[in-house]
Amino acid sequence: DAGITQSPRYKITETGRQVTLMCHQTWSHSYMFWYRQDLGHGLRLIYYSAAADITDKGEVPDGYVVSRSKTENFPLTLESATRSQTSVYFCASRTTGQNTEAFFGQGTRLTVV
Amino acid sequence: ILNVEQSPQSLHVQEGDSTNFTCSFPSSNFYALHWYRWETAKSPEALFVMTLNGDEKKKGRISATLNTKEGYSYLYIKGSQPEDSATYLCAFRDQAGTALIFGKGTTLSVSS
Repeated sequence: DAGITQSPRYKITETGRQVTLMCHQTWSHSYMFWYRQDLGHGLRLIYYSAAADITDKGEVPDGYVVSRSKTENFPLTLESATRSQTSVYFCASRTTGQNTEAFFGQGTRLTVV
Repeated sequence: ILNVEQSPQSLHVQEGDSTNFTCSFPSSNFYALHWYRWETAKSPEALFVMTLNGDEKKKGRISATLNTKEGYSYLYIKGSQPEDSATYLCAFRDQAGTALIFGKGTTLSVSS
C-alpha cells in the first residue's frame, strides 16, 4: 500500500524494556521525522533524518535512538522504556523543497507500565 | 528552541458562525508556515503551506493569511460546520531548519 505506515498501532510495555516503533513510507521521501504527542505539549520533535544514514536530534531526543539504513524506513527505539515515554508517537515524511507538506502516519499509542 | 504560539487554545462556536485563529512565529529567518487539520483518532493532514509574505490561500470555506514581517498567520473558517470540529495546528520552518516546529494547536468544536 502506498503511503506512510506505522507499526504497531498500540503497544504496552514494561518499564526498562526496549521497544522499537516502526515507520515505513513508499514515496522515497528524503526527510522523515518522529514526533510525540502529549497533552499540553502538542507535537514535539524527537529525531529527524534528511536521508539514509543521516539523522539529527530534535527537541526531546533523550532516551530514544533512531537509525535509517534505508530511505523508506525510520525506526524509533526506546532503549529502556520509562513511564514518561507513555505517549502517542507520530512518524512523518516529506520530499525536498520549500512548499512541501509533511505526511503523517496513523500514530502509535505506547503505554509504559 | 523556536517558539510557535497558537491562540486561542480552544474554541466553541455554533454552526454557521465564522471564526479565526492566530499562529505567531519568529519573524527572522522565515522559510515556510504550514497549517494542518487534525481530527480525533486520525493523523494531521495539511491544509496550507505558505512561503511568501502576504500569501493568502483558500480551500473551500477555510482560508489563511501570512505576515512574515511581523510573524503571524491567521486561519479563517467561514460558516463553521460540525465537520470542521478538529484541532488546527500551525507549524513553522526556518531557513536553517529541516523539521517543522509545531504550535500546540487550537481545538475547535462546532455545535449544530
